[in-house]
Amino acid sequence: DVKVTQSSRYLVKRTGEKVFLECVQDMDHENMFWYRQDPGLGLRLIYFSYDVKMKEKGDIPEGYSVSREKKERFSLILESASTNQTSMYLCASSFSRGWTEAFFGQGTRLTVV
Amino acid sequence: AQKVTQAQTEISVVEKEDVTLDCVYETRDTTYYLFWYKQPPSGELVFLIRRNSFDEQNEISGRYSWNFQKSTSSFNFTITASQVVDSAVYFCALSLGANNLFFGTGTRLTVIP
Repeated sequence: DVKVTQSSRYLVKRTGEKVFLECVQDMDHENMFWYRQDPGLGLRLIYFSYDVKMKEKGDIPEGYSVSREKKERFSLILESASTNQTSMYLCASSFSRGWTEAFFGQGTRLTVV
Repeated sequence: AQKVTQAQTEISVVEKEDVTLDCVYETRDTTYYLFWYKQPPSGELVFLIRRNSFDEQNEISGRYSWNFQKSTSSFNFTITASQVVDSAVYFCALSLGANNLFFGTGTRLTVIP
């Protein structure tokens, strides 16, 4: 079974802190994604990566950066957390860009206080 | 522009009733994929089905069935004889094969025992 694992299920951080959300997949997928899920807005793409050290901005990249040093790991970084970044963050991976299904992690619910 | 609309925000049904979740999409591309995902209370999105734009055949998988109609740009999902375990948020998504899945805002289904 494909497994996408996010390092934390729940996280509480203070405004201004630098926050790291980690994601690991075990199926050698080339593509990895970070989404943000908010009520009434569905899932919105923050960043995605199609290869090691390669990244592209999604729909809402402002305030975020990413790192992909190894194929299996994709990190989302909040440089200076703000309260409007309180949300559910979902990591996903897929074999090819858009033609195959994506596999999702269990999500990280981040609260910024 | 690409867009996925799930007009039903929340639906409640009594166990064993049939329920249809609506999905309407917009795209000018002729090649695309449509997906349905289930998000149970645990948070992890689970892939249910993928359908490409050239295949309008309806599909049935157990109690689940999908009706794809290009003429109305719809990809509706029906659960027959609903069960409590079907309670979840269901997302419809559109992919143009590039770098993103465009998600609808989701429909929360509650099945009452």
